[in-house]
Order: sequence, then structure tokens, then C-alpha cells
Amino acid sequence: KAGVTQTPRYLIKTRGQQVTLSCSPISGHRSVSWYQQTPGQGLQFLFEYFSETQRNKGNFPGRFSGRQFSNSRSEMNVSTLELGDSALYLCASTLDMGSKETQYFGPGTRLLVL
Amino acid sequence: AQSVTQLGSHVSVSEGALVLLRCNYSSSVPPYLFWYVQYPNQGLQLLLKYTTGATLVKGINGFEAEFKKSETSFHLTKPSAHMSDAAEYFCAVSVNTNAGKSTFGDGTTLTVKP
Repeated sequence: KAGVTQTPRYLIKTRGQQVTLSCSPISGHRSVSWYQQTPGQGLQFLFEYFSETQRNKGNFPGRFSGRQFSNSRSEMNVSTLELGDSALYLCASTLDMGSKETQYFGPGTRLLVL
Repeated sequence: AQSVTQLGSHVSVSEGALVLLRCNYSSSVPPYLFWYVQYPNQGLQLLLKYTTGATLVKGINGFEAEFKKSETSFHLTKPSAHMSDAAEYFCAVSVNTNAGKSTFGDGTTLTVKP
């Protein structure tokens, strides 16, 4: 079974631009969560989607948004990029929110904002 | 509200020595606890988790952790360190058994000396 895949793996953008990151969960998994990892703030929860609906949201500004498609693939978008948005963005998938199966992480997308 | 404190951002041990990584948590509801390992430029890999039942949890790669409610701790141990154990380790707490919307500690970097 293929793992969680994230594209692209590396990305360089400039301030003010917007970016879209993609996450394909493990086949059959319906819940997708996004996390931001930075040296200063550590790992922080962004949001969680289940069956195309956002179920949980972390404390991030509205510039950060996401969506989930009917095939469970998810995208997150960051508009008006700031230098502080440079981070490793991790996606994790799990079977469903009530499942005892834990979440599996993808390798991440490393975003650099110049 | 939940929080996680990992004592010691850097731990160094000799190969073959005991590994002890400390994690204390705070949670207003019964917690589900997780340990992850992250190798450079990779996503997180689950080592072990505590949901309910036995408080001593065995994970992959010879790691284990004990849930101590009275001490609000979930320390990670391994009897004998191997060079391949050098990585960053994260403790996390969640209200969900599948680790959704997890709160992570700041991480502990483990160095293994030959």
C-alpha cells in the first residue's frame, strides 16, 4: 500500500505570492490533517478534513486555507506569503476520525519564502 | 486545553547505553499519547502510542514508554542505543485515538556517540 504523498517536495516563493500544496492520503483513508513545522514554533496543527469537510482548525490566520476533494486528496493554500511562512508542511492521513488507527505522515513540503 | 513538555532539547548517549527521553503532558480530558521519530528531511514516523489499557506500551525499534497518570508523564526508553537511533523525537497528546489535532512537544534531538 502506498504511503502518504505530498507534492511538491520543495518550493521557493517570494513574499506576497500564494502557494498551493497537495497531499494524497493512503488509499482508503478519509481524514487528512495538516501541520506546520518551524524551528521556532515547532509542530503546529493547521486543520483537519474529513469527507470534504473541515472538522478542526488550529490557530492560524485566514491566509491559510485548505480543502479536500471527493477522492480524499487535500490541498492547502497560503495567500500573501510572509517570510515567517517558511516551514516544512506535513500532511497526515488516517482512516477516519473515530478510528483507533493512528495517522501516517507524508514526507512534507519544504517551503522557502524569500 | 492540552500541552506537552519535553525535558531536554538535546540528549546524548553512548552506543549501547540506556535511552531516556522525558515527556510530561497536561490535559483536561483523558489523554491519548504518542511518540514519533523524525529523521532529517523526512516526515514523522509513529514509534508507539497509548490509548487505553496497559500503561507500558511497546513500540517499534525496541522503544517503549510508560503512561504514569499520577506523574502526568509518558517517558520514552530504549535499553540499548544504536547509532541508527540518532534522530529527533516528538511526544504528542491528542483527544482523539487516531492522533488527530495533536499537540506536539518541542522535540528532543538524540545523539548517539560511538
